Amino acid sequence: KNEVEQSPQNLTAQEGEFITINCSYSVGISALHWLQQHPGGGIVSLFMLSSGKKKHGRLIATINIQEKHSSLHITASHPRDSAVYICAPGNNDMRFGAGTRLTVKP
Amino acid sequence: KAGVTQTPRYLIKTRGQQVTLSCSPISGHRSVSWYQQTPGQGLQFLFEYFSETQRNKGNFPGRFSGRQFSNSRSEMNVSTLELGDSALYLCASSLVSLGEQFFGPGTRLTVL
Repeated sequence: KNEVEQSPQNLTAQEGEFITINCSYSVGISALHWLQQHPGGGIVSLFMLSSGKKKHGRLIATINIQEKHSSLHITASHPRDSAVYICAPGNNDMRFGAGTRLTVKP
Repeated sequence: KAGVTQTPRYLIKTRGQQVTLSCSPISGHRSVSWYQQTPGQGLQFLFEYFSETQRNKGNFPGRFSGRQFSNSRSEMNVSTLELGDSALYLCASSLVSLGEQFFGPGTRLTVL
């Protein structure tokens, strides 16, 4: 079993839909990162959180440390949200999920 | 504020050669982490340098090494290149050790 499991692997949505990406991990962590990677390869950090919930614009990230689970939500999805989303729990190193490829159709 | 820069952006080497990649962090950031991304293995953590000391290390062979200079710029070296080392190598800087990661554009290494 992988240390970091993301679901779904692929997700296609219509513009305006509410999106949820899940991340479960088995390692102990000090923080969990959510990253966004666009087709050109560039990676952007969306969130770094160690407890509770964070919100930035239409993006919301939550984490439950006891259950070792985090979710990334996108409200009112837009085609520009199309990207690969990667969760990365970290402690003394960084582990990465395989990523969720999101396609938002207009 | 300038972002993280990596040089070179593209590199072609042959098996057995060695390569050095460079990363300049955001001004004021003392941590630089290196990552390898391949289609098969995805993103993997190589190591992190903080204030010129290797702070954390992933599970890569000793052929992969790095260093950090007093101005926080970092270099990564891969010796005795193998075909499987072909990958996108990314560095990221942060204010604190393994804090919020600011990624560079990456160096795409091809080993022939």
